[in-house]
Amino acid sequence: AQSVTQLGSHVSVSEGALVLLRCNYSSSVPPYLFWYVQYPNQGLQLLLKYTTGATLVKGINGFEAEFKKSETSFHLTKPSAHMSDAAEYFCAVSDRERSNYKLTFGKGTLLTVNP
Amino acid sequence: DGGITQSPKYLFRKEGQNVTLSCEQNLNHDAMYWYRQDPGQGLRLIYYSQIVNDFQKGDIAEGYSVSREKKESFPLTVTSAQKNPTAFYLCASSPWGGQTNNIQYFGAGTRLSVL
Repeated sequence: AQSVTQLGSHVSVSEGALVLLRCNYSSSVPPYLFWYVQYPNQGLQLLLKYTTGATLVKGINGFEAEFKKSETSFHLTKPSAHMSDAAEYFCAVSDRERSNYKLTFGKGTLLTVNP
Repeated sequence: DGGITQSPKYLFRKEGQNVTLSCEQNLNHDAMYWYRQDPGQGLRLIYYSQIVNDFQKGDIAEGYSVSREKKESFPLTVTSAQKNPTAFYLCASSPWGGQTNNIQYFGAGTRLSVL
């Protein structure tokens, strides 16, 4: 079964600093990969996804993520944090080979941005 | 506006009571999903449906039931058999089409508490 590990349940950065949120997956075949963001008491919104092609994926709000097959990783970065980036971030994977579409989510990383 | 509507936003359940959470989408999506979110646990799949009149159990289906009589609607019933129902419940939908890389779109959630 697929699994997703997000290192660090809570990450705190200063406004203007680099944001790095880590995600590793376990699968012998690279899955489809997603990052979602959740603001308090709201649903999830897609930031970006990787399916095929270029391994550096750009998303909304200045976020990007790089798929590294050798490291089974899909870390999320943003060069300069903004106060509005404070939220919880979820990495998710879906299995390319299964006929049923199921997303497996990591446990989430809460990002705090300090002024 | 196209989207997913969950109601109510807050719901309280008494001991031994069944409660139903509503999820409606006007995105013309084939697939719909129910997730449960607990603090620090990420999202766990309860049930999903890829087509009208068909649905499958997810990872934590015990104590829950669903129906899919219309494409737009996928209500979730939390039965009295679910002994720990307090959680944030999220409904999602996606354009299935047999592809596993489709984005899931989320509603704003229903927060269920036990009285």
